[in-house]
Amino acid sequence: DAKTTQPTSMDCAEGRAANLPCNHSTISGNEYVYWYRQIHSQGPQYIIHGLKNNETNEMASLIITEDRKSSTLILPHATLRDTAVYYCIVRVANFGNEKLTFGTGTRLTIIP
Amino acid sequence: DTEVTQTPKHLVMGMTNKKSLKCEQHMGHRAMYWYKQKAKKPPELMFVYSYEKLSINESVPSRFSPECPNSSLLNLHLHALQPEDSALYLCASSRQGGPNEKLFFGSGTQLSVL
Repeated sequence: DAKTTQPTSMDCAEGRAANLPCNHSTISGNEYVYWYRQIHSQGPQYIIHGLKNNETNEMASLIITEDRKSSTLILPHATLRDTAVYYCIVRVANFGNEKLTFGTGTRLTIIP
Repeated sequence: DTEVTQTPKHLVMGMTNKKSLKCEQHMGHRAMYWYKQKAKKPPELMFVYSYEKLSINESVPSRFSPECPNSSLLNLHLHALQPEDSALYLCASSRQGGPNEKLFFGSGTQLSVL
């Protein structure tokens, strides 16, 4: 799986949009970009994923650059409950390789 | 029901003990995973089961023995562990293990080896 690079930590004011960047410059054409988050002492929680197009769901938006070498996760109106470690993961698109390999992630702190 | 249930939530064991961790899901998922997470580190994949067959073993020591008795249940048998095996053990499941599927994680078992 391609390697990802994320900032170690970020702060965001409550109520503002949180924009979390991820670099995956070695991504292959068949690899998906996934985002998970982990709130302290809980299991990771799926947020969103995409292949080429931008995606939006009830939790967040995922913006993938045209060359697919980077992406941004957007939490539109951050709340204190969004404080967590956010993991950007690229995952190969072949059955028989079911791995989901976590990188070091970004520790996001929402400031009141 | 979109839950993955792990028991126990906490476990303390000695280095000569034998214990088991249990993971259960009732979403009809056919891929199940064990991850290990040390404090302040990301989760690391240990094993993957696909349709009740072991498909990935990430070179995990034999003192960890996984078992998938049926499509809803995943066990991790522990024997002769070392203190450095103390960690949060996470179970996850997905529909079939394909690349376009999200993983559902349990809350984990916090294991302490004395």
